[in-house]
Amino acid sequence: NAGVTQTPKFQVLKTGQSMTLQCAQDMNHNSMYWYRQDPGMGLRLIYYSASEGTTDKGEVPNGYNVSRLNKREFSLRLESAAPSQTSVYFCASSPSGGARQETQYFGPGTRLLVL
Amino acid sequence: AQSVTQPDIHITVSEGASLELRCNYSYGATPYLFWYVQSPGQGLQLLLKYFSGDTLVQGIKGFEAEFKRSQSSFNLRKPSVHWSDAAEYFCAVLDFGNEKLTFGTGTRLTIIP
Repeated sequence: NAGVTQTPKFQVLKTGQSMTLQCAQDMNHNSMYWYRQDPGMGLRLIYYSASEGTTDKGEVPNGYNVSRLNKREFSLRLESAAPSQTSVYFCASSPSGGARQETQYFGPGTRLLVL
Repeated sequence: AQSVTQPDIHITVSEGASLELRCNYSYGATPYLFWYVQSPGQGLQLLLKYFSGDTLVQGIKGFEAEFKRSQSSFNLRKPSVHWSDAAEYFCAVLDFGNEKLTFGTGTRLTIIP
Protein backbone atom coordinates (compact mmCIF):
# COMPACT_ATOMS: atom_id res chain seq x y z
CA ASN A 1 0.00 0.00 0.00
CA ALA A 2 1.98 2.98 -1.31
CA GLY A 3 -0.69 5.64 -0.67
CA VAL A 4 -0.32 8.57 -3.06
CA THR A 5 2.62 8.49 -5.46
CA GLN A 6 3.85 11.24 -7.75
CA THR A 7 6.28 11.27 -10.66
CA PRO A 8 8.67 12.81 -11.36
CA LYS A 9 10.15 14.02 -8.07
CA PHE A 10 12.01 16.84 -9.74
CA GLN A 11 11.89 18.44 -13.18
CA VAL A 12 13.55 21.33 -14.95
CA LEU A 13 11.78 22.84 -17.96
CA LYS A 14 12.48 25.67 -20.34
CA THR A 15 9.85 28.31 -20.89
CA GLY A 16 7.32 27.07 -23.43
CA GLN A 17 7.96 23.39 -22.91
CA SER A 18 5.16 21.07 -21.93
CA MET A 19 5.03 18.28 -19.40
CA THR A 20 2.65 16.09 -17.47
CA LEU A 21 2.86 15.42 -13.76
CA GLN A 22 1.56 12.01 -12.81
CA CYS A 23 -0.30 11.05 -9.65
CA ALA A 24 -1.70 7.71 -8.57
CA GLN A 25 -3.38 6.45 -5.41
CA ASP A 26 -4.02 2.90 -4.31
CA MET A 27 -6.52 3.62 -1.54
CA ASN A 28 -9.64 3.37 -3.74
CA HIS A 29 -10.39 7.04 -3.07
CA ASN A 30 -12.99 8.86 -5.12
CA SER A 31 -11.63 12.41 -4.89
CA MET A 32 -8.25 13.63 -6.07
CA TYR A 33 -6.62 17.07 -5.97
CA TRP A 34 -3.70 19.03 -7.35
CA TYR A 35 -2.13 21.81 -5.28
CA ARG A 36 0.84 24.08 -5.74
CA GLN A 37 2.93 25.30 -2.84
CA ASP A 38 4.82 28.56 -3.00
CA PRO A 39 6.78 30.29 -0.22
CA GLY A 40 4.52 32.37 1.99
CA MET A 41 1.41 31.25 0.11
CA GLY A 42 0.54 27.94 1.70
CA LEU A 43 -1.08 25.38 -0.60
CA ARG A 44 -3.41 26.54 -3.31
CA LEU A 45 -5.82 24.26 -5.14
CA ILE A 46 -5.29 24.05 -8.90
CA TYR A 47 -7.86 21.44 -9.93
CA TYR A 48 -9.77 18.67 -8.29
CA SER A 49 -11.77 15.62 -9.31
CA ALA A 50 -14.68 14.54 -7.15
CA SER A 51 -15.01 11.24 -8.97
CA GLU A 52 -13.78 9.40 -12.03
CA GLY A 53 -14.71 11.31 -15.14
CA THR A 54 -15.24 14.67 -13.45
CA THR A 55 -12.87 17.59 -12.93
CA ASP A 56 -13.31 21.12 -11.67
CA LYS A 57 -11.23 24.26 -11.32
CA GLY A 58 -9.73 25.32 -8.06
CA GLU A 59 -8.25 28.61 -6.98
CA VAL A 60 -5.40 28.85 -9.53
CA PRO A 61 -6.26 26.82 -12.66
CA ASN A 62 -4.82 29.10 -15.36
CA GLY A 63 -2.04 27.48 -17.37
CA TYR A 64 -2.96 23.95 -16.33
CA ASN A 65 -5.11 21.10 -17.53
CA VAL A 66 -5.99 17.87 -15.79
CA SER A 67 -7.14 14.43 -16.71
CA ARG A 68 -8.76 11.87 -14.44
CA LEU A 69 -7.66 8.83 -16.38
CA ASN A 70 -9.38 6.35 -14.08
CA LYS A 71 -10.15 6.08 -10.41
CA ARG A 72 -6.47 5.67 -9.49
CA GLU A 73 -4.79 8.29 -11.66
CA PHE A 74 -5.04 12.07 -11.91
CA SER A 75 -2.55 13.90 -14.11
CA LEU A 76 -1.68 17.59 -14.32
CA ARG A 77 -0.47 19.03 -17.62
CA LEU A 78 1.42 22.22 -18.30
CA GLU A 79 0.96 22.93 -22.00
CA SER A 80 3.42 25.84 -22.19
CA ALA A 81 5.43 26.24 -19.03
CA ALA A 82 6.16 29.69 -17.64
CA PRO A 83 8.62 30.76 -14.92
CA SER A 84 5.61 31.64 -12.73
CA GLN A 85 4.80 27.94 -12.63
CA THR A 86 8.01 27.17 -10.76
CA SER A 87 6.66 25.58 -7.62
CA VAL A 88 6.23 22.39 -5.65
CA TYR A 89 3.20 20.44 -6.78
CA PHE A 90 1.29 18.12 -4.49
CA CYS A 91 -1.31 15.58 -5.37
CA ALA A 92 -3.82 14.45 -2.75
CA SER A 93 -6.75 12.08 -2.49
CA SER A 94 -9.69 11.61 -0.14
CA PRO A 95 -12.15 8.77 0.34
CA SER A 96 -15.41 10.18 -0.89
CA GLY A 97 -16.61 13.19 -2.83
CA GLY A 98 -19.83 13.16 -0.86
CA ALA A 99 -18.56 12.72 2.67
CA ARG A 100 -18.20 15.62 5.07
CA GLN A 101 -15.51 14.16 7.23
CA GLU A 102 -12.95 13.27 4.65
CA THR A 103 -9.26 13.60 5.21
CA GLN A 104 -6.93 14.34 2.35
CA TYR A 105 -3.81 12.22 1.96
CA PHE A 106 -0.86 13.82 0.24
CA GLY A 107 1.85 12.58 -2.06
CA PRO A 108 5.54 13.49 -1.61
CA GLY A 109 5.45 16.31 -4.17
CA THR A 110 7.08 17.24 -7.47
CA ARG A 111 9.54 20.13 -7.54
CA LEU A 112 9.30 21.98 -10.84
CA LEU A 113 11.73 24.63 -12.02
CA VAL A 114 10.88 26.58 -15.17
CA LEU A 115 13.77 28.54 -16.63
CA ALA B 1 -15.36 32.47 1.15
CA GLN B 2 -13.51 30.80 3.98
CA SER B 3 -10.01 31.77 5.00
CA VAL B 4 -7.32 30.71 7.43
CA THR B 5 -4.75 32.94 9.09
CA GLN B 6 -1.58 31.70 10.72
CA PRO B 7 -0.08 34.87 12.17
CA ASP B 8 3.33 33.42 13.00
CA ILE B 9 5.54 32.79 10.00
CA HIS B 10 8.41 31.34 12.03
CA ILE B 11 8.69 30.19 15.65
CA THR B 12 11.78 29.00 17.51
CA VAL B 13 11.52 27.02 20.71
CA SER B 14 13.95 25.08 22.85
CA GLU B 15 13.77 21.32 22.97
CA GLY B 16 11.58 20.29 25.88
CA ALA B 17 9.69 23.58 25.97
CA SER B 18 5.97 23.87 25.34
CA LEU B 19 4.59 24.95 21.99
CA GLU B 20 1.50 26.75 20.77
CA LEU B 21 0.89 27.52 17.10
CA ARG B 22 -1.92 29.91 16.33
CA CYS B 23 -4.65 29.48 13.74
CA ASN B 24 -7.65 31.71 13.12
CA TYR B 25 -10.33 30.88 10.61
CA SER B 26 -13.18 32.63 8.88
CA TYR B 27 -16.16 30.49 7.94
CA GLY B 28 -19.88 31.06 8.02
CA ALA B 29 -20.91 27.84 9.72
CA THR B 30 -19.42 25.25 12.01
CA PRO B 31 -16.03 24.55 10.49
CA TYR B 32 -14.20 21.35 9.87
CA LEU B 33 -10.60 22.12 10.84
CA PHE B 34 -7.31 20.34 10.28
CA TRP B 35 -3.66 20.62 11.22
CA TYR B 36 -1.08 19.15 8.86
CA VAL B 37 2.69 18.89 9.29
CA GLN B 38 5.27 18.97 6.51
CA SER B 39 8.78 17.78 7.22
CA PRO B 40 11.54 19.12 4.95
CA GLY B 41 11.23 17.69 1.45
CA GLN B 42 8.15 15.68 2.36
CA GLY B 43 4.44 15.79 1.69
CA LEU B 44 1.84 16.77 4.24
CA GLN B 45 0.80 14.48 7.07
CA LEU B 46 -2.40 14.91 9.02
CA LEU B 47 -1.81 15.66 12.71
CA LEU B 48 -5.41 16.02 13.85
CA LYS B 49 -8.85 17.20 12.82
CA TYR B 50 -11.95 18.69 14.40
CA PHE B 51 -15.44 18.02 13.11
CA SER B 52 -17.74 18.27 16.11
CA GLY B 53 -18.07 17.28 19.74
CA ASP B 54 -15.26 17.72 22.22
CA THR B 55 -13.47 20.94 21.47
CA LEU B 56 -10.10 19.55 22.61
CA VAL B 57 -8.78 17.21 19.94
CA GLN B 58 -5.91 14.79 20.37
CA GLY B 59 -3.66 13.95 17.46
CA ILE B 60 -0.55 12.02 16.61
CA LYS B 61 2.94 12.69 17.95
CA GLY B 62 1.59 14.13 21.20
CA PHE B 63 -0.13 17.14 19.62
CA GLU B 64 -3.50 18.52 20.59
CA ALA B 65 -5.63 21.42 19.40
CA GLU B 66 -8.49 23.33 20.95
CA PHE B 67 -11.41 24.71 18.97
CA LYS B 68 -12.71 28.00 20.35
CA ARG B 69 -15.74 29.21 18.47
CA SER B 70 -15.85 32.55 20.28
CA GLN B 71 -12.33 33.36 19.13
CA SER B 72 -12.55 31.63 15.72
CA SER B 73 -9.38 29.83 16.66
CA PHE B 74 -7.95 26.34 16.44
CA ASN B 75 -4.54 26.54 18.09
CA LEU B 76 -2.13 23.61 18.07
CA ARG B 77 -0.25 22.72 21.26
CA LYS B 78 2.36 20.33 22.50
CA PRO B 79 3.58 20.25 26.11
CA SER B 80 7.19 19.32 25.32
CA VAL B 81 8.71 19.53 21.85
CA HIS B 82 11.32 17.18 20.43
CA TRP B 83 13.96 17.98 17.84
CA SER B 84 12.03 15.85 15.36
CA ASP B 85 9.10 18.28 15.57
CA ALA B 86 11.02 20.80 13.48
CA ALA B 87 8.83 21.19 10.40
CA GLU B 88 6.25 23.45 8.81
CA TYR B 89 2.73 23.33 10.17
CA PHE B 90 -0.40 24.15 8.22
CA CYS B 91 -3.89 24.82 9.49
CA ALA B 92 -6.78 24.24 7.08
CA VAL B 93 -10.57 24.61 6.93
CA LEU B 94 -12.91 22.49 4.83
CA ASP B 95 -15.60 24.22 2.80
CA PHE B 96 -18.82 22.18 3.05
CA GLY B 97 -20.19 23.47 -0.20
CA ASN B 98 -17.43 22.32 -2.50
CA GLU B 99 -15.50 20.10 -0.09
CA LYS B 100 -12.28 21.96 -0.75
CA LEU B 101 -9.58 22.62 1.80
CA THR B 102 -8.30 26.13 2.30
CA PHE B 103 -4.85 26.26 3.87
CA GLY B 104 -3.12 28.89 5.93
CA THR B 105 0.29 30.11 4.85
CA GLY B 106 2.05 27.90 7.37
CA THR B 107 4.27 28.32 10.44
CA ARG B 108 7.84 27.08 10.31
CA LEU B 109 8.99 25.61 13.60
CA THR B 110 12.67 25.55 14.53
CA ILE B 111 13.87 23.60 17.59
CA ILE B 112 17.07 24.62 19.34
CA PRO B 113 18.98 22.30 21.69
